[in-house]
Order: sequence, then C-alpha cells, then structure tokens
Amino acid sequence: EDQVTQSPEALRLQEGESSSLNCSYTVSGLRGLFWYRQDPGKGPEFLFTLYSAGEEKEKERLKATLTKKESFLHITAPKPEDSATYLCAVQIITNFGNEKLTFGTGTRLTIIP
Amino acid sequence: EAQVTQNPRYLITVTGKKLTVTCSQNMNHEYMSWYRQDPGLGLRQIYYSMNVEVTDKGDVPEGYKVSRKEKRNFPLILESPSPNQTSLYFCASSLIPQGRNEKLFFGSGTQLSVL
Repeated sequence: EDQVTQSPEALRLQEGESSSLNCSYTVSGLRGLFWYRQDPGKGPEFLFTLYSAGEEKEKERLKATLTKKESFLHITAPKPEDSATYLCAVQIITNFGNEKLTFGTGTRLTIIP
Repeated sequence: EAQVTQNPRYLITVTGKKLTVTCSQNMNHEYMSWYRQDPGLGLRQIYYSMNVEVTDKGDVPEGYKVSRKEKRNFPLILESPSPNQTSLYFCASSLIPQGRNEKLFFGSGTQLSVL
C-alpha cells in the first residue's frame, strides 16, 4: 500500500535554529512530490514540486530536496512567521492508469522568538 | 484576486438534515476537488472533477455527492449527514488536471459539525 509519512509530528525551534522536516514515502511510480504550508484556519498553500531524485528547490529560508525514498524540507535560520503546518504529498499513477495524490499528516512547526 | 471561495466557514447541523457547501473559483480552472482533513489522517480526497459535467470518486466518497454544472462552481452535498462526517473540508482547484503535476489552490475551509 502506498504510504506517506511525515516526521516529526511537531517541532519547536528557537528563532534562528535551523532544522529539517522529513517526508518518507513508499509508493511505486512517483510522478511528483509536493510541499504545502498550512496556517491555522486556512487552506494549504503551495510551496514546491520535486520530480526526480537529486532535485532541490529553494524559497527564502526553505529548501526542499528529494531522494528515492524521502524528501526533506530544510529551514535555515527560521523566523516566527515560519510557524505553520507543513504538508507533503506524493503523486503516483495507479494500477488503473489514473493519477492520485496522497497527503501526509503534516509537521506542525513552531518558531519561538 | 485569484481565489477559491468556500461557504460557509463554519456549519453546525443535526444528523439527517441535508446540507450543501459551496465552492467557487475565479481562475478558470478545469480541475476541482473536495478534501476532508481529520486529525492524524491528513487530507483525503472525497470527489474530484476534471471539467464541467465530469466528476469521479476519490478515496472517501461515501455519504457525499457533487455536481459540476458550471466551470467555476463545485458544490459538495451531504444528503443525510452523520456524526462521522464532522470534519474540516477543503475545496481545491488547479488549471489543468492534477495528473500533470499542477499545483492545487485551496479554499479557506469549512468546519462542519454534525450532532
């Protein structure tokens, strides 16, 4: 069964303390891996798409990387406004030839001033 | 402003009373989808639509109906709500079907409580 697992469930960091969030997946036929940010009371907001192992993308203090088994979201010198829940999602092709997007349960990140 | 608009934001109802959650997008997107988000389970797809009059089941379609009569609107209908449908619901859209790695735009969510 296709699975997407995010860790840790929650992470508290001091402002400026860099760290990484993990998204591991066991799927066949990965088409793409997405990262979204979700603020309390809002819908998820797109951050990155990664397509193949070795690919990296950056946006401000965030950098996403992808291997054949997992993706990392690296946060460098975070600020309080980076506090949010970060979701990853993997896109696969099903046995019926359809595309399917499966979300992880997210990592709730809190940056303490 | 490009956006996906859901209404209402909060809804409390009783078991068996039919309800509709509306979703509208102003980006001329072909693809629209409904998700529910529950603690520990992540976002799960209920139904999706590739274009007008084309809808299909997602992972958890039981107890829900949808329709896509216009490109911009994709209402979610609960004919006879039950307490296990208490959840946070999100509508999402993308320019072309998600299958082509197109990012999703999400609405702000509808928190539904069924008593």
